[in-house]
Amino acid sequence: DVKVTQSSRYLVKRTGEKVFLECVQDMDHENMFWYRQDPGLGLRLIYFSYDVKMKEKGDIPEGYSVSREKKERFSLILESASTNQTSMYLCASRLRQPSGVNTEAFFGQGTRLTVV
Amino acid sequence: DAKTTQPNSMESNEEEPVHLPCNHSTISGTDYIHWYRQLPSQGPEYVIHGLTSNVNNRMASLAIAEDRKSSTLILHRATLRDAAVYYCILRGYGNAGNMLTFGGGTRLMVKP
Repeated sequence: DVKVTQSSRYLVKRTGEKVFLECVQDMDHENMFWYRQDPGLGLRLIYFSYDVKMKEKGDIPEGYSVSREKKERFSLILESASTNQTSMYLCASRLRQPSGVNTEAFFGQGTRLTVV
Repeated sequence: DAKTTQPNSMESNEEEPVHLPCNHSTISGTDYIHWYRQLPSQGPEYVIHGLTSNVNNRMASLAIAEDRKSSTLILHRATLRDAAVYYCILRGYGNAGNMLTFGGGTRLMVKP
């Protein structure tokens, strides 16, 4: 069974803390994604990685950074957590899309982060 | 980037067919049309995708307009388990095609 695993389902952190959200996939996928989901705003892409050490900013990268040191692991980092980063965070992975091929993305179960 | 437009919400009765529309008037010739759905308290899951021809799988059917400016996801017999948010996404290929961005989606409510 294919799997995208996020390290925590629920997380509570204090304002100003450095927060790491971890995502691991076992499908040897090149592409990995981090999203946040808020009521009324849908799924918004934070960062995208298309290979080890390679990344691109999504729609809302401010306040976040990412790390992809190994193919299977993609980390989202909140350098100094703030209350407006309280949200559901979702990780996804997908094969690289060469010309003429489109494959599905697989999502983790999400991490609900509360910053107090 | 080509955008999609979907109704915010739709209602259906159990056991009846559901047609979920998606407009994508700025679609390019290389954009695939993908549908995902998100059940309550879960991450999104893939439903179906197509390029030009209509597509069927065990979950749903995808009807694509001849000009490709709109598409419809068809659930043939809605069940209570189909209550979810359905997302219509355009995917290109090549470098830009590797990004995956979602719009607001359609919240489908299924009444018993």
